[in-house]
Amino acid sequence: DGGITQSPKYLFRKEGQNVTLSCEQNLNHDAMYWYRQDPGQGLRLIYYSQIVNDFQKGDIAEGYSVSREKKESFPLTVTSAQKNPTAFYLCATAGLATPEPREQYFGPGTRLTVT
Amino acid sequence: DQQVKQNSPSLSVQEGRISILNCDYTNSMFDYFLWYKKYPAEGPTFLISISSIKDKNEDGRFTVFLNKSAKHLSLHIVPSQPGDSAVYFCAASNMNRDDKIIFGKGTRLHILP
Repeated sequence: DGGITQSPKYLFRKEGQNVTLSCEQNLNHDAMYWYRQDPGQGLRLIYYSQIVNDFQKGDIAEGYSVSREKKESFPLTVTSAQKNPTAFYLCATAGLATPEPREQYFGPGTRLTVT
Repeated sequence: DQQVKQNSPSLSVQEGRISILNCDYTNSMFDYFLWYKKYPAEGPTFLISISSIKDKNEDGRFTVFLNKSAKHLSLHIVPSQPGDSAVYFCAASNMNRDDKIIFGKGTRLHILP
C-alpha cells in the first residue's frame, strides 16, 4: 500500500555518534522534506529536496546532512555537531505536479533520543 | 521572526459545541494556507486548505475562514467530537517563491465530555 515509511519508530544513540534516519515513499512524489518537532516549537524545516540529486537547507540545517540519490528515498543524518539532537523527526512528501502541489503528506515520525 | 502565529497554545471545548482555532500571519506574499491535525507520536495529517482567492472553504465539519486584510485565518469544527482532541497546526506557503510550508507552533485542542 502507498505511503511514507520512517524507520525505526524509536532510536537511541550515545552522544558523539552520527545516526541516519530513513524515509522512503512510494507515492511517486517529487519533493521530500525533513522537519523536527520539539515541545512548544511546532515543526521546523531541516532540509528539503524537490528533485533527485538536489536539496536545499531549511531553517535549522546545522548539524544535519541529507542525500537524495533516488526519488523514493531521502535519508537524514544527524551528526555529532548537532547540539540538541533529541527530538521527534518527521519526513514529508509533496507531489509537485498534482492539482494541489503544496499539500505535504507526513510519515509516522522517528523519535531520536541521544544520551 | 515568526511568520505564522498561533497565539493560543491550548483550547478546551465541550463535546458538541463549536471549536474555533485561530492563526495570524505576517507575510502578505502567502497565498495558500493549510491546517494539519496531529496526534501524539504520529505524523501530522492534512485537514483542509484555502487559497488566497477564497475567503471560505468547507469540508464536512471543518470550515476554514480567511481574512486577508487582517492576515488572519480560523478553523471551525462543528460539532466537536472526542476524536478531535489533538494538536492543530496552521501553515502557509507562497506558490511563487518555493515549495516550503511555514508552520505555526500549534494549538492543543481538548474536547471535554
